[in-house]
Amino acid sequence: KNEVEQSPQNLTAQEGEFITINCSYSVGISALHWLQQHPGGGIVSLFMLSSGKKKHGRLIATINIQEKHSSLHITASHPRDSAVYICAVRPSYSGGGADGLTFGKGTHLIIQP
Amino acid sequence: GEEVAQTPKHLVRGEGQKAKLYCAPIKGHSYVFWYQQVLKNEFKFLISFQNENVFDETGMPKERFSAKCLPNSPCSLEIQATKLEDSAVYFCASSQTNYGYTFGSGTRLTVV
Repeated sequence: KNEVEQSPQNLTAQEGEFITINCSYSVGISALHWLQQHPGGGIVSLFMLSSGKKKHGRLIATINIQEKHSSLHITASHPRDSAVYICAVRPSYSGGGADGLTFGKGTHLIIQP
Repeated sequence: GEEVAQTPKHLVRGEGQKAKLYCAPIKGHSYVFWYQQVLKNEFKFLISFQNENVFDETGMPKERFSAKCLPNSPCSLEIQATKLEDSAVYFCASSQTNYGYTFGSGTRLTVV
């Protein structure tokens, strides 16, 4: 059974701080997604990774396939970054692009001004 | 369009009534997924399609849930005889294999 563990579950930080959210998973994967869900409920796909590192603005995502671990970093955090950040993986045991994702329970991030 | 359109945004049904949710994936995306989010952050995969064909329905409680993606129509997820435990936000997403997912804004189903 594929399990996705995120840490921390909750994180409160001051504006400007460097934020790191971690994700570990238990099976081989073909892709890992980082998602953002705001209080209104909408989900935004931030990154899809299968190796290495990606950067978009103040967000950086890294993945270590051998260690089955990924991190999401936010530099110069801002109150508008307050949201739930969710790690989700697509297992590699079956082929094709239509495999469902397995989700972590999310990290609830609050950035205080 | 460049968004996954889900309708309705909110749906209230009495226990035992039918609920039907719709999803228009992004044009050109071959894969459609339905997920159920209960509580705050518990996502459950329900079903996926490759074009109009069911690819994986292992997450679907098949006795009451059914889904379709027919050509030239929005995809649909139907729940017959809703139960209180079906109350959740149902998200649709679409993708092409090597690109990220795009999620719809969800349908909040409340069964009373």
